[in-house]
Amino acid sequence: GAVVSQHPSRVICKSGTSVKIECRSLDFQATTMFWYRQFPKQSLMLMATSNEGSKATYEQGVEKDKFLINHASLTLSTLTVTSAHPEDSSFYICSAPDLYNEQFFGPGTRLTVL
Amino acid sequence: LAKTTQPISMDSYEGQEVNITCSHNNIATNDYITWYQQFPSQGPRFIIQGYKTKVTNEVASLFIPADRKSSTLSLPRVSLSDTAVYYCLPAGSGYNKLIFGAGTRLAVHP
Repeated sequence: GAVVSQHPSRVICKSGTSVKIECRSLDFQATTMFWYRQFPKQSLMLMATSNEGSKATYEQGVEKDKFLINHASLTLSTLTVTSAHPEDSSFYICSAPDLYNEQFFGPGTRLTVL
Repeated sequence: LAKTTQPISMDSYEGQEVNITCSHNNIATNDYITWYQQFPSQGPRFIIQGYKTKVTNEVASLFIPADRKSSTLSLPRVSLSDTAVYYCLPAGSGYNKLIFGAGTRLAVHP
């Protein structure tokens, strides 16, 4: 099946700094990608839909100025957590649908904010 | 989007068959039912998808009754490595976003 990668796999940062997470579709193009956040022992929560060439669509309650999304190309979407705080510590996962609309998930990025 | 209800957790033993049922009373006509598996600190992995009746692949079987208001994921002869969280999601055609429910935490014991 198709492969979606994320980088970095884990990151530790100081409170107040910004962190960028990359999501790449390795062998297919994705005009749409999705970003999720998952806290321990909880389900995935959809944060936003990343659209190539246009603005991202954010779910209710997700601050667009805090979680900046850029879909720079048909294979790359980035999520930047700005001015991160300890409560932003979480597992961030992206997904991308292929040509047949089967969704493939990245391996996730563990963010720890000190 | 259709809301799903699954058991929060299930326990089983190696070699047993496990059936996880998901109810989705308000599933849309054009929605398929997809099941994902997630291990700790990993992204979800696609297991199986179906629209109606029965679908089988090398990993699992999926049973969907005629009214499509529920579905049952069947894992034959589970092993310890099947310990994971299992999610059922109705998903339509097109690049639809997936909304995850709480999922079912399956624990397989020796």
